[in-house]
Amino acid sequence: DSGVTQTPKHLITATGQRVTLRCSPRSGDLSVYWYQQSLDQGLQFLIQYYNGEERAKGNILERFSAQQFPDLHSELNLSSLELGDSALYFCASSSGVNMNTEAFFGQGTRLTVV
Amino acid sequence: GIQVEQSPPDLILQEGANSTLRCNFSDSVNNLQWFHQNPWGQLINLFYIPSGTKQNGRLSATTVATERYSLLYISSSQTTDSGVYFCAVARSGTYKYIFGTGTRLKVLA
Repeated sequence: DSGVTQTPKHLITATGQRVTLRCSPRSGDLSVYWYQQSLDQGLQFLIQYYNGEERAKGNILERFSAQQFPDLHSELNLSSLELGDSALYFCASSSGVNMNTEAFFGQGTRLTVV
Repeated sequence: GIQVEQSPPDLILQEGANSTLRCNFSDSVNNLQWFHQNPWGQLINLFYIPSGTKQNGRLSATTVATERYSLLYISSSQTTDSGVYFCAVARSGTYKYIFGTGTRLKVLA
């Protein structure tokens, strides 16, 4: 158990819909990262938050947004879903503000858009 | 950006065999981790190893940062070792890991 909790584990939804993925980081970790793993793109960085503030953006679509709350949990919101958004979405956490410490990944949320 | 190449892309072993997985990266990094993605999709931390050698049971890893590569050794492989092995690297001051394309391992009973 990595200590990073993601919910839900599985999600099936229709095109055009909106979903929210939730992540609770390891106790004491201030950084949260979101990654997308699709079959054709591998593991891609989406966005990072540190202590409630957005720190870095990667290949995140405009239809996607995220936030980190005062209790440090994070949510990734995906809207106007398309078939191509079907993927595994991972959350990771680390203690540092950037990738200079070990990162721990949650078990992922498998999103299927039908 | 940094390129991360893993080899071999696929590997099939008989239970009990040993193997070496390689990760080459194109620029200097200050952070490197090895992960195992099991058949259920979970990413499991194996090693945090920016440099040096570490061992954990049947697994060990070595990173030679100056030569830009890392090796993961699996000894006496078991069927539960099956899955995809990823290395991920990050440069100092950056905010993301760059993942390699992975080595898909299948261990046969």
